[in-house]
Amino acid sequence: AQTVTQSQPEMSVQEAETVTLSCTYDTSESDYYLFWYKQPPSRQMILVIRQEAYKQQNATENRFSVNFQKAAKSFSLKISDSQLGDAAMYFCAYIRGGTSYGKLTFGQGTILTVHP
Amino acid sequence: GAGVSQSPSNKVTEKGKDVELRCDPISGHTALYWYRQRLGQGLEFLIYFQGNSAPDKSGLPSDRFSAERTGESVSTLTIQRTQQEDSAVYLCASSLYGVWSNQPQHFGDGTRLSIL
Repeated sequence: AQTVTQSQPEMSVQEAETVTLSCTYDTSESDYYLFWYKQPPSRQMILVIRQEAYKQQNATENRFSVNFQKAAKSFSLKISDSQLGDAAMYFCAYIRGGTSYGKLTFGQGTILTVHP
Repeated sequence: GAGVSQSPSNKVTEKGKDVELRCDPISGHTALYWYRQRLGQGLEFLIYFQGNSAPDKSGLPSDRFSAERTGESVSTLTIQRTQQEDSAVYLCASSLYGVWSNQPQHFGDGTRLSIL
């Protein structure tokens, strides 16, 4: 069974600084996708960034980027130039790839606090 | 609609009562998912619909939980004889095609269920 582990229950960062959230996963599959979701107090899960396992290049979306280490099964999220609106719970998630339905497996989450 | 809509937003009920939670997916999305999120935890998969069939019900925690979907639209999650451990946020997500796992899942704001 696939598992996703986020070892940092809480992280904090100063506004405009950079922070990295950690995620490791365990799978025997070779084809899969990894995601970071953001959950603000409104509860809605918002997709931040996605990484295809077959791609060596790390995904980037504006101030958000990942460090994908497939051999180490590590998938960290870097937030640059942190903003107050980045404060939220962040979840790392995994989906098996191919023509199989998308049952997401989530980590336990990391609460990110941004200090002005 | 523009996004996934869930109702009610909050539900408080007494132990032993039945509850129905509703999810309206994004128009045209064939796949629909229900997740449960206990306080401070990650999301747990409950059930997946492709159209109005449910190929995977493996996440339903007991026979008190059931779900149905009408065509490729509204889904209801029913919890019978509620217990205090059922207290959680129930999140619904939809995606364009369920059979391709790289399709992003779009989440609603969830229903916060509190059992007294």
